[in-house]
Amino acid sequence: EDQVTQSPEALRLQEGESSSLNCSYTVSGLRGLFWYRQDPGKGPEFLFTLYSAGEEKEKERLKATLTKKESFLHITAPKPEDSATYLCAAPSNSGYALNFGKGTSLLVTP
Amino acid sequence: DGGITQSPKYLFRKEGQNVTLSCEQNLNHDAMYWYRQDPGQGLRLIYYSQIVNDFQKGDIAEGYSVSREKKESFPLTVTSAQKNPTAFYLCASSIARTSGGNIQYFGAGTRLSVL
Repeated sequence: EDQVTQSPEALRLQEGESSSLNCSYTVSGLRGLFWYRQDPGKGPEFLFTLYSAGEEKEKERLKATLTKKESFLHITAPKPEDSATYLCAAPSNSGYALNFGKGTSLLVTP
Repeated sequence: DGGITQSPKYLFRKEGQNVTLSCEQNLNHDAMYWYRQDPGQGLRLIYYSQIVNDFQKGDIAEGYSVSREKKESFPLTVTSAQKNPTAFYLCASSIARTSGGNIQYFGAGTRLSVL
């Protein structure tokens, strides 16, 4: 069964304290690994798609990387406005819908 | 601005009542999706549609129904058969490339509660 697992469930950082979020997957024939940001009470906002091992993408303080079994979302020198839940997802067997992990809730304190 | 509009933002259901959640997109996407989000859980797929007049059940379709009469619209009805409807409902859309890996764009969600 295809699965997407995220860790940790919650992470508290001080402003400027860099860290990484993990997403491991057991999807056969990966056709993309997606990262989303979700603020409380809002819909997920697309961040990145990664397609092959070794691929990296960056956006401001965020960098996503992909290996054959997992992806990392690195947060460099985070700010309080980076506080959100970060979701990881991979395409389901149907090829259309996404299987989501449960997310990592990030809190960055001043 | 292109995007996905969900309405209403908040909805209350009485016991035995059917309620319909609206989802409209102007992104010219063929595929549309409905997910349910519960606290501490990932998003779970209810229904999806790849093309007008066609849709497929997702992992938790029981107690829900959908229609896809127009490309832009994909309403979700929560029927009285859904015994635990309280959740945050999210609509998404994407292109319908068969090779997969299609970026899904989400609406702002509808929070449904039971009175």
